Amino acid sequence: GQQLNQSPQSMFIQEGEDVSMNCTSSSIFNTWLWYKQEPGEGPVLLIALYKAGELTSNGRLTAQFGITRKDSFLNISASIPSDVGIYFCAGQQNNDMRFGAGTRLTVKP
Amino acid sequence: GAVVSQHPSRVICKSGTSVKIECRSLDFQATTMFWYRQFPKQSLMLMATSNEGSKATYEQGVEKDKFLINHASLTLSTLTVTSAHPEDSSFYICSARGRLAGGIWKQYFGPGTRLTVT
Repeated sequence: GQQLNQSPQSMFIQEGEDVSMNCTSSSIFNTWLWYKQEPGEGPVLLIALYKAGELTSNGRLTAQFGITRKDSFLNISASIPSDVGIYFCAGQQNNDMRFGAGTRLTVKP
Repeated sequence: GAVVSQHPSRVICKSGTSVKIECRSLDFQATTMFWYRQFPKQSLMLMATSNEGSKATYEQGVEKDKFLINHASLTLSTLTVTSAHPEDSSFYICSARGRLAGGIWKQYFGPGTRLTVT
């Protein structure tokens, strides 16, 4: 199935720095979700967005549902070593959920 | 919170044999279950979608006779990889979608099953 365009593919940052990643799609979605996956584990939901324009925070994480319903971004502020992992965006329309290719985040202490 | 379990977490099998993977929603009724496959350093690719009591809908390129999906109850779905070959080695992840208390639809992922075919 068609995937979303997620960028960047990878990021190497210093502890304490802020991080930003985004996803775009040619299709509209009624829900955008952001997941984190650690090696050998399934994805864990970080933030779910249900309305165009919605801005939601979860601790140091902030995500927004784009007005056009075709994009979303995730920001992580003041990164810490345990933020390491792969972050996936997902767009959902009814029963159909599609994933971005993932952003691999490395945080150097 | 809602939890989805998978069993086994790891399995090694010989080429030509069949392997069954179970996916259970532990504290909610999953009207829909999804099966994904993930190769190393890649994203999750949807294989099939199944609604309880119905036949699964497979994504293009996924052989339904090779990847048998059964969704017999609102809390259990199984994926059977038949006549497994080394190229079937992958990380298989299920996901369960249901309506939680309050009427909000949620989708949760299982921890995944690492299949190695020798």
